[in-house]
Amino acid sequence: GNSVTQMEGPVTLSEEAFLTINCTYTATGYPSLFWYVQYPGEGLQLLLKATKADDKGSNKGFEATYRKETTSFHLEKGSVQVSDSAVYFCALISGGYNKLIFGAGTRLAVHP
Amino acid sequence: EAGVAQSPRYKIIEKRQSVAFWCNPISGHATLYWYQQILGQGPKLLIQFQNNGVVDDSQLPKDRFSAERLKGVDSTLKIQPAKLEDSAVYLCASSSGRGQRDEKLFFGSGTQLSVL
Repeated sequence: GNSVTQMEGPVTLSEEAFLTINCTYTATGYPSLFWYVQYPGEGLQLLLKATKADDKGSNKGFEATYRKETTSFHLEKGSVQVSDSAVYFCALISGGYNKLIFGAGTRLAVHP
Repeated sequence: EAGVAQSPRYKIIEKRQSVAFWCNPISGHATLYWYQQILGQGPKLLIQFQNNGVVDDSQLPKDRFSAERLKGVDSTLKIQPAKLEDSAVYLCASSSGRGQRDEKLFFGSGTQLSVL
């Protein structure tokens, strides 16, 4: 079946450090891939997405590239800020009905 | 634009009691989703509505969970009777429902349920 595996957290970084959160997936067909973010006290919100192989999604300085050969969609940011502290979820849609399948989430804590 | 509204924000009940959650999606959104998020796990889809019809309830424990969206707008999710393992955050989301495969979901802030 379809599934998403993320690196375990928490990830603790100093401000301006480089961020990578690993995500790999298993899916039938050709999934669309997403990163969602959940800030403290807020609802999940879409951060970025990629719908086909080699696509790069980007938003707010975050990037992720859809790698079909390694079935990966790693999230990166060159210089994190304290305001990036949140839980990040990798997710996919494969097949009909727009059914999102989430990874377990990775908590990021950025310190000044 | 108003977001997805959910209530209550928190609920504490004892096992075997019943509980209900309410969700009002973004105006005009045809598709409504209920997700269950257990601590330390990603959200899991319980049920998906397209207008007032169910399109996916394959992971809904139907012996105790029920959901309805009678007029194709707001929705109620009920648990009766609750078990300890139902402790989780229940998230409601909506999307436009225009049929695009990867259309954006908008999430509410969730209802945190604790079953004692």
